[in-house]
Amino acid sequence: SQKIEQNSEALNIQEGKTATLTCNYTNYSPAYLQWYRQDPGRGPVFLLLIRENEKEKRKERLKVTFDTTLKQSLFHITASQPADSATYLCALLLMDSNYQLIWGAGTKLIIKP
Amino acid sequence: KAGVTQTPRYLIKTRGQQVTLSCSPISGHRSVSWYQQTPGQGLQFLFEYFSETQRNKGNFPGRFSGRQFSNSRSEMNVSTLELGDSALYLCASSLGTGTDTQYFGPGTRLTVL
Repeated sequence: SQKIEQNSEALNIQEGKTATLTCNYTNYSPAYLQWYRQDPGRGPVFLLLIRENEKEKRKERLKVTFDTTLKQSLFHITASQPADSATYLCALLLMDSNYQLIWGAGTKLIIKP
Repeated sequence: KAGVTQTPRYLIKTRGQQVTLSCSPISGHRSVSWYQQTPGQGLQFLFEYFSETQRNKGNFPGRFSGRQFSNSRSEMNVSTLELGDSALYLCASSLGTGTDTQYFGPGTRLTVL
C-alpha cells in the first residue's frame, strides 16, 4: 500500500544542535515534496519545496534533501532554537495525482534550552 | 495581501445537527482544499475545489460536502454531526497549478457534544 511515514514520537534536541527529521514514502513517484511547520491550534505554514530532480535545497538555517532512490527526504534545522519547537509535516505531490498533496502525520520537535 | 480567512473560528454543536464552515482564499487563488485534523492525527484530506468544481476527494462519508463560488470562496457542510466529527477544520488556498504551495487559514475548531 502507499504511505508516507514520519517519526510519530517527539524528537527532543538540545538548543544549538542540528535537528534532523525524516519523511519516508513507499510506492509513490513524487513530482516534488514540501515541508510545513505547524504550531498548536494553527494551520501549517509552508517552509520549503524540493523537486524530484533536486538533491538539496537550503533556506537560512533550514536544509532539505530528497533521495528518490531511498524514497526519503531529510529536513535539517541547524543551530536549533526553542522557537523552532513545533510539528513538522511533509507532503508529496504525485506525478499523476491531479494536483492532490499527500500528507505525512508530522513529527513533533522539541528544542530544549 | 490578505491571508486565508475562515469563519467561524469556534463552533459548538450537538449530535445530529448540521454545520457550515466558510473559507475565503487569498485573492487570485482558484484552489481551495479542506482538511480535518484531530489530536495526534495528521491532516486528513476532505476535498479540493478548483474553479467551482470538485477536483479531488478524500475518503470521508457523504455527510461531508462542499462547494465553491465564482469568487473562489468555499463552504464546507457536515450534516448529521457525530461526536467523532469534533476536530480542527482547516482550509488551504493555492493557485492550483500543481507546483505552488498551500496557504492555510487559522482553522475552525468544531466541538460536537
